[in-house]
Amino acid sequence: EVHLVESGGGLVQRGGSLRLSCAASGFSFSTHSMNWVRRAPGKRLEWISYMTSDLRTIYYADSVQGRFTISRDNAKSTVSLQMNNLRVEDTAVYYCVVSVAAYYPHWGQGTLVTVSS
Amino acid sequence: EVVMTQSPATLSVSPGERATLSCRASQSVSTNLAWYQQKPGQAPRLLIYGAYTRVTGIPDRFRGSGSGTEFTLTISGLQSEDFAVYYCQQYYVWPPCTFGQGTTVEIK
Repeated sequence: EVHLVESGGGLVQRGGSLRLSCAASGFSFSTHSMNWVRRAPGKRLEWISYMTSDLRTIYYADSVQGRFTISRDNAKSTVSLQMNNLRVEDTAVYYCVVSVAAYYPHWGQGTLVTVSS
Repeated sequence: EVVMTQSPATLSVSPGERATLSCRASQSVSTNLAWYQQKPGQAPRLLIYGAYTRVTGIPDRFRGSGSGTEFTLTISGLQSEDFAVYYCQQYYVWPPCTFGQGTTVEIK
């Protein structure tokens, strides 16, 4: 069974930083692309970052480009999201997500990030 | 960016009845369309991809249809566990893939 467990969320002030991590198990992590998707209060789901299994291709949403950095460690089956210069509008539940052809069969339970002003 | 619009925002349905949810794309996404179900406090769950292919283990009362810009998710014989929020997602033009704003299916 696929298991994705996010950690690292919490309360941070505007302009601060957080690092989210996701521990994956139950599937061949090193052969799957990984994503981060978030849902802000009252907003729709928003894809924010993607990394291929070989680490060669990375994409970011315009809303986080230049502030967030995705990384992964295939040996440890983990994917991370370094979030810098956080804004109030980054407040959301962040999900670690496995992608297959850009749809999402497996999601973590999410971790809440709250950015205060 | 492809804008996904779902309707209605809320659908009130009695158990055992049929629910019909719509999703419209601002441009053609072929059949690169997925549907997700989300319950409070839970992660989204993939129900359908490729517009009409059910994920293994999803009951056949969930049926996806459509192509191009117009899509429908039909839930026949609603069960208590089906009351939730449903999202569509296009993955034809990405990045970014984009989601609809969701339809809440509530008990009438």
